[in-house]
Amino acid sequence: GAVVSQHPSRVICKSGTSVKIECRSLDFQATTMFWYRQFPKQSLMLMATSNEGSKATYEQGVEKDKFLINHASLTLSTLTVTSAHPEDSSFYICSASRGDRVVQPQHFGDGTRLSIL
Amino acid sequence: AQSVTQLGSHVSVSEGALVLLRCNYSSSVPPYLFWYVQYPNQGLQLLLKYTSAATLVKGINGFEAEFKKSETSFHLTKPSAHMSDAAEYFCAVSEGSARQLTFGSGTQLTVLP
Repeated sequence: GAVVSQHPSRVICKSGTSVKIECRSLDFQATTMFWYRQFPKQSLMLMATSNEGSKATYEQGVEKDKFLINHASLTLSTLTVTSAHPEDSSFYICSASRGDRVVQPQHFGDGTRLSIL
Repeated sequence: AQSVTQLGSHVSVSEGALVLLRCNYSSSVPPYLFWYVQYPNQGLQLLLKYTSAATLVKGINGFEAEFKKSETSFHLTKPSAHMSDAAEYFCAVSEGSARQLTFGSGTQLTVLP
């Protein structure tokens, strides 16, 4: 089945550090990837939609200069949390979908637990 | 706009008992509906999906869900719960060409021995 790999699984770093999270689709080409944020015991909140070769589309309230998204190839999207602060601590999850048909389900990575000290 | 309501943030069942997790949706167009499961500190795994074909959808691990348009529901069921079913379950809806998923708030399933 489809596999999405997300790396790293856990990051602990000091306030002010920039952190990059990678999301790879291992056995299919993903024209679109999605980035979510999940707070403890809450649902997933879509942060942005990442389209290969173009700028990401951010949801309302998400700072695009804070959360930089790059989708340079059909198998890789990256999320960079710039100058991270404790309030950025969260569980970040990416997903990828095959092709352009909406019926294709999203396949999720295992998430990245980000802890800012 | 699309939305999803999951009734019951916590559901407890005994091992071997019926599992019923409720999901109601709101959509302005025929929706695509999904159920995902999340184990602690992991991403989401697709259990099943409804894409306008058969209204009774069978998924992995013995789960199934029935799309009822008149009730705008897509409840998840499993005849006999296993301890390994304990996890967080999310219902999600996608409509039209948006491709974005809107998730419900999730239901934590506890399976009692």
